[in-house]
Amino acid sequence: QTVVTQEPSFSVSPGGTVTLTCGLSSGSVSTSYYPSWYQLAPGQPPRTLIYTTNARSSGVPDRFSGSILGNKAALTITGAQADDECDYYCMLYMGIGTVAFGGGTKLTVL
Amino acid sequence: QLQESGPGLVKPSETLSFTCTVSGASISSNNYYWGWIRQPPGKGLEWIGNIFYNGDTYYNPTLKSRVTISVDTSKNQFSLRLTSVTAADTAVYYCAGLRRDHLKYMDVWGKGTTVTVSS
Repeated sequence: QTVVTQEPSFSVSPGGTVTLTCGLSSGSVSTSYYPSWYQLAPGQPPRTLIYTTNARSSGVPDRFSGSILGNKAALTITGAQADDECDYYCMLYMGIGTVAFGGGTKLTVL
Repeated sequence: QLQESGPGLVKPSETLSFTCTVSGASISSNNYYWGWIRQPPGKGLEWIGNIFYNGDTYYNPTLKSRVTISVDTSKNQFSLRLTSVTAADTAVYYCAGLRRDHLKYMDVWGKGTTVTVSS
């Protein structure tokens, strides 16, 4: 079974830029997987950040951006802020009615 | 908006049942699959399964043998049953709407309901 992979953790300095990636254990992520990204803060439901690779959800600041980098989907945060410190999950559309989440990346801002 | 309801606490080997009530939209929309996702303590999000309003279901293969998702269009609700639970099923359970059109993402989420499996 194909697994969706993410970096377990990442660290960025306040004001810095970080790129989180979302790959497949077998194969490449393309726009055909409709990659989306979700932010999960403690005690809160997931917040949709990015959908269909690079579209920002309503209300999401433009310092969050999505792309395909090589064979992975990517979420880039520019000008990182303290309240960006939380967990980030990618989701891929694997086929009719079927999705898969990555294992999540814990982002530290320090 | 989506709102989950669940049992809070169940014993091992019992069956977990949840309901998600959809408000502000019709569950019979062609634009959505309705789904369940969970997050065990200290772990990541896990997709459980989706249902279309006509009853077509799609399940995570790792949970498929224990999961049933159903829909009640008259109540604008969909439900999750998880059988033979163990402590590993302790989690926050979310319901969500997955866009079925060209967008294919979860664009609406419930607040989540916490379930503990313990004797």
